[in-house]
Amino acid sequence: GAVVSQHPSWVICKSGTSVKIECRSLDFQATTMFWYRQFPKQSLMLMATSNEGSKATYEQGVEKDKFLINHASLTLSTLTVTSAHPEDSSFYICSVKTGTSGTSYNEQFFGPGTRLTVL
Amino acid sequence: RKEVEQDPGPFNVPEGATVAFNCTYSNSASQSFFWYRQDCRKEPKLLMSVYSSGNEDGRFTAQLNRASQYISLLIRDSKLSDSATYLCVVNILNKFYFGSGTKLNVKP
Repeated sequence: GAVVSQHPSWVICKSGTSVKIECRSLDFQATTMFWYRQFPKQSLMLMATSNEGSKATYEQGVEKDKFLINHASLTLSTLTVTSAHPEDSSFYICSVKTGTSGTSYNEQFFGPGTRLTVL
Repeated sequence: RKEVEQDPGPFNVPEGATVAFNCTYSNSASQSFFWYRQDCRKEPKLLMSVYSSGNEDGRFTAQLNRASQYISLLIRDSKLSDSATYLCVVNILNKFYFGSGTKLNVKP
């Protein structure tokens, strides 16, 4: 499977500041990456689909102006949480989708996650 | 209605027990199916993909019933290291939807 890294692994910031999280696909050229958020004792919720060279596709209820996604290369996608507030504190995880578009066989491999705490 | 439903558990079983998890999905257009394992405060890791014919990997067996829109995972001879949350994941039109997970505690 694909090897995915995230940076930073954890971050604490003050309310109102912006935080950038990087997701790197180390051994796979990823046209598509996904960003998820997971609150304690809940499952992963898809926030957006990051497409290399084009705009991200956001899920309903996710503010695109607050969660800025940039997928400038086949190995890097970034998520910037702008003007973070305590309610944005969560575990943010990215993933890489392997497999060919149009086929039913797709797997995804996750980065180790970034734990964000907003004070 | 959620795309993927799972019994949250927890399932508390002794070492060596056989345990089964179930998962149902609501969208008949679902294309592919997976079981992931997530340890506390870690990212999910792929346990196995689930194929229509059913598949086995060591102590783990996964089954898919498309007619009933139902997926299962069977773990035989449970080990302490199997303690984790097991996530049922469904791929619908290249998006992945997660169940809320079933927590397994294997006790000595």
